[in-house]
Amino acid sequence: AQSVTQLDSQVPVFEEAPVELRCNYSSSVSVYLFWYVQYPNQGLQLLLKYLSGSTLVESINGFEAEFNKSQTSFHLRKPSVHISDTAEYFCAVRSNNNDMRFGAGTRLTVKP
Amino acid sequence: DAGVTQSPTHLIKTRGQQVTLRCSPKSGHDTVSWYQQALGQGPQFIFQYYEEEERQRGNFPDRFSGHQFPNYSSELNVNALLLGDSALYLCASSIPGQGTETQYFGPGTRLLVL
Repeated sequence: AQSVTQLDSQVPVFEEAPVELRCNYSSSVSVYLFWYVQYPNQGLQLLLKYLSGSTLVESINGFEAEFNKSQTSFHLRKPSVHISDTAEYFCAVRSNNNDMRFGAGTRLTVKP
Repeated sequence: DAGVTQSPTHLIKTRGQQVTLRCSPKSGHDTVSWYQQALGQGPQFIFQYYEEEERQRGNFPDRFSGHQFPNYSSELNVNALLLGDSALYLCASSIPGQGTETQYFGPGTRLLVL
């Protein structure tokens, strides 16, 4: 079975600073990897996903994540964060059996 | 195009009671998954419905049951509520796939068990 570990429960950062949210997974089979964002009192929204091909995937709002098979990681990065990026971020892993497993989440707080 | 909708938004129940939560999938989607998100944790998969059948189930007791209707909407039923069932219940819809399809989440129903 797959599992996901998000190494930081909280990440405080100042506006316009770079940020990295770490995610490691374990699985004995090929997986698909996802990052979801959850704003207060809302459901989850897909930020980006890795299915196959290029190991670097990007979102429309400046986030990117790189799939590293040897390190079983899928860290999320943004070179310059905004106040509006304050939210909870969830890494998730899925295989062909459709069972989506989420990490415990990382709360990103962007301070002015 | 309406996204995934859930009702009610909030619910308060007492231990031992039963609850029914409802979900309408995004237009064009026929697969519905349910998740439980306890406070401070990530969502945990409860089960998935496709063609009115439970296709897959997570590690939840039989007190959790569901149903999918011909219009693809779905219900989650929880019997004999426990304090530990207090959580945000999320519904997600998608098209059928082998794991690559995107799941679209509703805003959730927040259940409080007293």
